[in-house]
Amino acid sequence: GQQLNQSPQSMFIQEGEDVSMNCTSSSIFNTWLWYKQDPGEGPVLLIALYKAGELTSNGRLTAQFGITRKDSFLNISASIPSDVGIYFCAGRQGTYKYIFGTGTRLKVLA
Amino acid sequence: GAGVSQSPSNKVTEKGKDVELRCDPISGHTALYWYRQSLGQGLEFLIYFQGNSAPDKSGLPSDRFSAERTGGSVSTLTIQRTQQEDSAVYLCASSLGGQGSGYTFGSGTRLTVV
Repeated sequence: GQQLNQSPQSMFIQEGEDVSMNCTSSSIFNTWLWYKQDPGEGPVLLIALYKAGELTSNGRLTAQFGITRKDSFLNISASIPSDVGIYFCAGRQGTYKYIFGTGTRLKVLA
Repeated sequence: GAGVSQSPSNKVTEKGKDVELRCDPISGHTALYWYRQSLGQGLEFLIYFQGNSAPDKSGLPSDRFSAERTGGSVSTLTIQRTQQEDSAVYLCASSLGGQGSGYTFGSGTRLTVV
């Protein structure tokens, strides 16, 4: 099935560092969502973006809806060990269906 | 319920057997989705239910896969004559159904076909 390109695929960072990841597509999306998945759990919604250019924060997380509507970015500031997990972006094209990215696996070294 | 509930959480089955996976969405959520997550992969859309409308089955990988949603609430995903490539985590999600509504996911059913 169709998936979005997410990068990096995985990353190891030191506790306290900032993290950036992005999601790109050749298609235009109307909504972007960012999810985090912990081992053995379903993904949990972190941030939702609804307008091109929108910048939204949720605590140490900041996400942006790209101005071209073909990409989105997620930044995590001052990472902590519990940030470990898989981060997924998801984009909506039609009225209800979201296409998910391939995921960024984050590991934080204490 | 408070969240999306899926059962069983783990299922091991022999190749060729049929399996049924259950999803109980959040009360009041009209939209229900099934996704499949293979090891180390992203989420692959399978099927979508919205109220009493005909479901969007465009993501079902073969005719061995089917799903029902009874009474606009509980959904069952059935896989017939399971194959080893069906091994994956099957995630169910529900939402209020409006445009732009984010999903709430269940914890998934990990299916292993041996």
